Amino acid sequence: GAGVSQSPSNKVTEKGKDVELRCDPISGHTALYWYRQSLGQGLEFLIYFQGNSAPDKSGLPSDRFSAERTGGSVSTLTIQRTQQEDSAVYLCASSPQGVYNSPLHFGNGTRLTVT
Amino acid sequence: SQKIEQNSEALNIQEGKTATLTCNYTNYSPAYLQWYRQDPGRGPVFLLLIRENEKEKRKERLKVTFDTTLKQSLFHITASQPADSATYLCALDINGNNRLAFGKGNQVVVIP
Repeated sequence: GAGVSQSPSNKVTEKGKDVELRCDPISGHTALYWYRQSLGQGLEFLIYFQGNSAPDKSGLPSDRFSAERTGGSVSTLTIQRTQQEDSAVYLCASSPQGVYNSPLHFGNGTRLTVT
Repeated sequence: SQKIEQNSEALNIQEGKTATLTCNYTNYSPAYLQWYRQDPGRGPVFLLLIRENEKEKRKERLKVTFDTTLKQSLFHITASQPADSATYLCALDINGNNRLAFGKGNQVVVIP
């Protein structure tokens, strides 16, 4: 079946512009995560959605970052007024609802370059 | 502070030998630990999960151990093959809320 799909795969933007990154999770997975991976760094947690519960936003690095999940499925990560330090690969992952310690299924990420 | 440490140096190993990677953590009490594989330009792919009450887990040529006293997990690839060349990430459950913290990964290069 289809895995986690992310778009675009690459995005180049000018400093100060807003960008939107999209994630289509695996059908039936109600948990959705966004992580960021910078060159030579580990995966940095950004935000976590689980069903209809309030999202865990504790990893968002600044108020320029926001995310939403519509209809419990597709998610969009928005970065406003992008800065060069926002350049990274943004990874989305999903997992089944209510399955404690379930593995995460990752997409291949969006590589964001801020010039 | 909380840390997850993996060796930053790439592990170069001859085909057929066993590769062993280490994941050390501090100031966490994870209920479980996971290992993922990541290839260049791709997202991580889940390999194995081991719970705190399990000492060892195996899957084909892979073996994982988990020592909660030492706060360490070892990841072994036996009879390594060039196709095993990748970066391997360990990930810990944070406080039982299904949120994973990842190490920076350890690259393995299997030499034919």
